[in-house]
Order: sequence, then C-alpha cells, then structure tokens
Amino acid sequence: DAKTTQPTSMDCAEGRAANLPCNHSTISGNEYVYWYRQIHSQGPQYIIHGLKNNETNEMASLIITEDRKSSTLILPHATLRDTAVYYCIVRVGSVSGTYKYIFGTGTRLKVLA
Amino acid sequence: KAGVTQTPRYLIKTRGQQVTLSCSPISGHRSVSWYQQTPGQGLQFLFEYFSETQRNKGNFPGRFSGRQFSNSRSEMNVSTLELGDSALYLCASSFAGTGETQYFGPGTRLLVL
Repeated sequence: DAKTTQPTSMDCAEGRAANLPCNHSTISGNEYVYWYRQIHSQGPQYIIHGLKNNETNEMASLIITEDRKSSTLILPHATLRDTAVYYCIVRVGSVSGTYKYIFGTGTRLKVLA
Repeated sequence: KAGVTQTPRYLIKTRGQQVTLSCSPISGHRSVSWYQQTPGQGLQFLFEYFSETQRNKGNFPGRFSGRQFSNSRSEMNVSTLELGDSALYLCASSFAGTGETQYFGPGTRLLVL
C-alpha cells in the first residue's frame, strides 16, 4: 500500500498562506491523493483531492508534482479556525475493484494570531 | 442535507463486554466505511459495506464485525472488549463506494475499563 509522509507539526501566521507538504513516493498511477482535516477529535472534514492535475476549490488548492511523488496543500489565507490536524491520504484500489483510504500520521497545523 | 450521524457519541464499557455502534449515512449514500482512531495507531480502516454486503476489510480481528441494512444504515459490533479497543470509532459514507469522496460522522468515543 502507498504510504504518505508528512511533517509532524507546522505553524502559520494568521492571514498568510499555509503550505502543507506530503510525500507519497510509492503512489501508483491510478491512486488519488485526498486531503482531510480533523479539528478537536471531531470527524475528519474533506478538503480536496486530485490525481495528476492541480486542483482548487473554495477551501484550498492542491499542487501535485509531475512525477506524482509529492503534493502540497495550500490554504491561501489561514485563519485561527484552520488550526487542525491535516491528513494526506492515498486512496488505494484492489483487484476486486474496491478502494480504501490509507491515512498517514497527519500534520498538526497551528495558526498563530 | 443532513450529515453522517453516529450514536451513541460516548460509551463506557468494561472488559469482556460487547458493544454495538450505529451509523446513519447521508441520504442517498449507499456505502458506509468504519475506521478506528487511537493515539498510537492513528486512523485505521476497519471495513466497508455497500448494498448490505461487506466489500472491503482491514486488518482487525474477528471480534470486530459489522452489517448494513437495506436503508444503508450500518452497525458495528465489537465483542469481548479489550482495553486496547478504547478509541474513537468513525463512520464515513459515500454515494457509491470508497472510490468516491467519503464524508465522516462525528464519531463514537468508546472507553473500555
């Protein structure tokens, strides 16, 4: 199964962009990268996902390198409410056609006032 | 649309007992996945149900089981509880399967004494 590697923790000043890196060097060609965040042990909240191309939505942008071995989640203007644990996940397929999410250990992002 | 709901939110049991947790997916979603989250092991996939059939299973002992009803609601059962089963149990639903974006519930926090 593909694994992800993320920094344990990061700080970001409020109003600045938060760039969260993720390494997934063993990812296969058809495996998607997903990002979720978890606040105070609530259920993880979906942020964004992608396969090859960069993606953007109202919450964040996802930049995937051309070789797909790493990606970066960008929160363009971090606020205090963005303080959370951010998980980079690889969606792994199986020969049966089903999938499962392989969670990494996550990055604890702290947004500072 | 209402989100994923899980009941109960908190539960205290003693070793050797069994427990049943419930998950109601987002309306129209047919796939339900279960995860266990502990400080030591992080988020780990338990199993996935789709149209009342288990389609995917993680590496957990047979004490962990589940089922899904015709209305897509799902239950998870843990028999012969052990201290190490203390965890946050999360349920996630998606429209057609884990190949699509999953949306998580708030979780059930189980404490085994």
